[in-house]
Amino acid sequence: DTAVSQTPKYLVTQMGNDKSIKCEQNLGHDTMYWYKQDSKKFLKIMFSYNNKELIINETVPNRFSPKSPDKAHLNLHINSLELGDSAVYFCASSSMAGRGRGTEAFFGQGTRLTVV
Amino acid sequence: SQKIEQNSEALNIQEGKTATLTCNYTNYSPAYLQWYRQDPGRGPVFLLLIRENEKEKRKERLKVTFDTTLKQSLFHITASQPADSATYLCALVTPGANNLFFGTGTRLTVIP
Repeated sequence: DTAVSQTPKYLVTQMGNDKSIKCEQNLGHDTMYWYKQDSKKFLKIMFSYNNKELIINETVPNRFSPKSPDKAHLNLHINSLELGDSAVYFCASSSMAGRGRGTEAFFGQGTRLTVV
Repeated sequence: SQKIEQNSEALNIQEGKTATLTCNYTNYSPAYLQWYRQDPGRGPVFLLLIRENEKEKRKERLKVTFDTTLKQSLFHITASQPADSATYLCALVTPGANNLFFGTGTRLTVIP
């Protein structure tokens, strides 16, 4: 059983298109995240969702929007894709409530997005 | 501005030696500090967590220290092996907010 799964693993698309990346976790965690990892391998947090509430949103263009239909899912929608959006996007989840607070985050395998 | 810096972008070490990686942060007051390992083409995998009131944590060949005065954590791998070659990332959890911020990463290569 995969703890955090994201699809697709690879995504090649043209500039201007709209695309989505899906993420699901089966760990019962209350917090899910989206990270962008650029060519220099820096993991930059984009969004985190706690109990379906957006709790941080870094300096991310509003072309990016997280959608959480329920606690186990956090999808990433990207509108009007640009060349600079090419990167690896990681979904993660963790527990931030009670005794589980601050414990490990589990990551998906990543989605390599290439905008051409 | 807030920063989490891992001093060496890359570190090469001979097999059997102890690898020491550094994580420094500014303008954070973390409640927890975590270390992760990332292999090429994969997501980060959790290794160790240390709390602000703990000085040291050990797990097998791994040891983490946390100095909130120096705003620094050290990550040690003793008796290093080629299989330890990977990128190692530190991450901070800030109190009162459900944020997990990552450092810049150190790519460790253990030479046989």
